[in-house]
Order: sequence, then structure tokens, then C-alpha cells
Amino acid sequence: SQQGEEDPQALSIQEGENATMNCSYKTSINNLQWYRQNSGRGLVHLILIRSNEREKHSGRLRVTLDTSKKSSSLLITASRAADTASYFCATDAFNAGGTSYGKLTFGQGTILTVHP
Amino acid sequence: GAGVSQTPSNKVTEKGKYVELRCDPISGHTALYWYRQSLGQGPEFLIYFQGTGAADDSGLPNDRFFAVRPEGSVSTLKIQRTERGDSAVYLCASSPLGLAAQETQYFGPGTRLLVL
Repeated sequence: SQQGEEDPQALSIQEGENATMNCSYKTSINNLQWYRQNSGRGLVHLILIRSNEREKHSGRLRVTLDTSKKSSSLLITASRAADTASYFCATDAFNAGGTSYGKLTFGQGTILTVHP
Repeated sequence: GAGVSQTPSNKVTEKGKYVELRCDPISGHTALYWYRQSLGQGPEFLIYFQGTGAADDSGLPNDRFFAVRPEGSVSTLKIQRTERGDSAVYLCASSPLGLAAQETQYFGPGTRLLVL
């Protein structure tokens, strides 16, 4: 099973509203990343949050990380129709030897639809 | 500069045939990753190269799958005796250093493989 689990699986909102997506994971992580994917291709990196960080902002994006709960959230404020896409969280986890190669484990994603 | 490129963009083959998928990473990037994404799922890790060597091939599903990166730049993913279950989008990503350097991975557009 995949490390990251996104919630909800699908989200439909009106333009201008905020969208919140959640991600839970199971093992200790080096960092957690959020990606956007349009039309089943072309993953675009949105934001990377390190395990010792709690919150990060980038434009209209706000990501939080709670390592005690093994969860993260992505907030998109003032959504636009162009934000319609699938959003994935991906964890860079430590292996049994306590190292990390940066290989990412993705969740199943949240499909966001923003209606004009 | 140019991003990650992958060729072909689409590949249709018959069950039992051999296929090669090519990835050109961003120039100078040491780390290269292959992922596979089935419909409606998040990408799944296949193999990671640090330079010319496969540092982690734990995601390759079986011995029909093999990947090389002989000169530390271009990589080829090779699938022998293809099966219908191999149908998926194969994604390649690169990053400057790898080795848990807390880096963004830059993804190519993917190769959509369909095995009939």
C-alpha cells in the first residue's frame, strides 16, 4: 500500500473558494512534497516541507506538517478554474538503514475541480 | 534550460514484445528516478540512479524490467515480454544531487505504454 493517503479523493468547489486537501502517512519522513498533475501527465512540484518544519507558504498555497500525527494539509486560497487538477502528496521516507535516497512514495491523489 | 524529456510520448505494443523507454534528464542532474503510474493511482517508484549506478532498484516489479544509465545522463527503461498489466504511464524525474539532499524532483511528461 502507498505511504501517503489523501483525503478527500475528490473535491468540487466554486472559483474564489478555498480548497483543503489532507495527507496521512505511516513512517518517519525526511520531507513531504506536494505535486499537481493535469490530464494524467506532467507532475509539477508545488512545495517541499522538511520534517523539522511545521508550515510553509508559496503564493496562494499553504502547507502544514504535523509529524506527531503523521499528517499534512495543502490549502489553496482563492481558487481559480486553472487550479483544476489532481494533487498528490509524496513522502521521502527513511529506509531501514536510516538513510534516504529521495525516492518518493505517492498517495492516490485528490481530484480538485474548480467551477468558474 | 530544457526540462526532462521522455520518448516516445506514446507506445502501443503487443503482448510479449520488447519495449524501450527513454529519459533525458535535466543537464547536470546526478539523480534520476523512474516511476510508473496506473490509471487513477499515484506514481509508484521503480528505480533510482545516482550517476551511472542503480542505487535502489527495489521498485522494479520483476526481472522483465531493467534500466540503464551508462553515461550518467540519458536513461533507458527496458521491458521484456510485455504483459497487458504493464500498461501505464512511465514517468522519469531528475534532481541535481539525490542522496537525500531535500530536493525537488523535476518530472518529464511521461510515456504512455499500452500493451494489447
